[in-house]
Amino acid sequence: AQSVTQLGSHVSVSEGALVLLRCNYSSSVPPYLFWYVQYPNQGLQLLLKYTSAATLVKGINGFEAEFKKSETSFHLTKPSAHMSDAAEYFCAVSSNSGGYQKVTFGIGTKLQVIP
Amino acid sequence: EAGVAQSPRYKIIEKRQSVAFWCNPISGHATLYWYQQILGQGPKLLIQFQNNGVVDDSQLPKDRFSAERLKGVDSTLKIQPAKLEDSAVYLCASSFRGSNEKLFFGSGTQLSVL
Repeated sequence: AQSVTQLGSHVSVSEGALVLLRCNYSSSVPPYLFWYVQYPNQGLQLLLKYTSAATLVKGINGFEAEFKKSETSFHLTKPSAHMSDAAEYFCAVSSNSGGYQKVTFGIGTKLQVIP
Repeated sequence: EAGVAQSPRYKIIEKRQSVAFWCNPISGHATLYWYQQILGQGPKLLIQFQNNGVVDDSQLPKDRFSAERLKGVDSTLKIQPAKLEDSAVYLCASSFRGSNEKLFFGSGTQLSVL
């Protein structure tokens, strides 16, 4: 069985400060890993995706995430927070289960950016 | 490119009533997903279709929830009868082939059961 743990359901940062959202995963087979963002009253949008091509993955809006197999982590970072980054962020893992790809989402981390 | 369309956007019903949600995925996408997102939680997969066949409905409460995908395109999710704990946002998503690819989400249907 696969699972995702997101540490910290709420994170607050000052505008211009580093953003770090934590994600740890569990999977018995090599996984695909994703970060999605959800703005208020909208559906989820893909920020970035890990597919084993490179451990450091760059996404949209200046976000990036690093895959660390030894730590089973896929933390999301951004060097400088912007007010428009305020949203909820979901980490997700996808792996083959019973002959098809199954994706599991974490509980989400709500990011607040303080001016 | 048109996105995933869902309707209605909001629905308020009383417990024991029935409700249906509709989803039109992106054209050409083989895989369609229905997720339930309860406030404060991540999306939980209810059912996953590959074309018009079900590949995963292990978390679908089959005594009250049903879903179908017509001709491998549109899909409807029905709840009958609704319970208070069904209050949630119901998200539809689609992907070209499978869930190792990018999922495209609709805006969701917010259901309130009173």
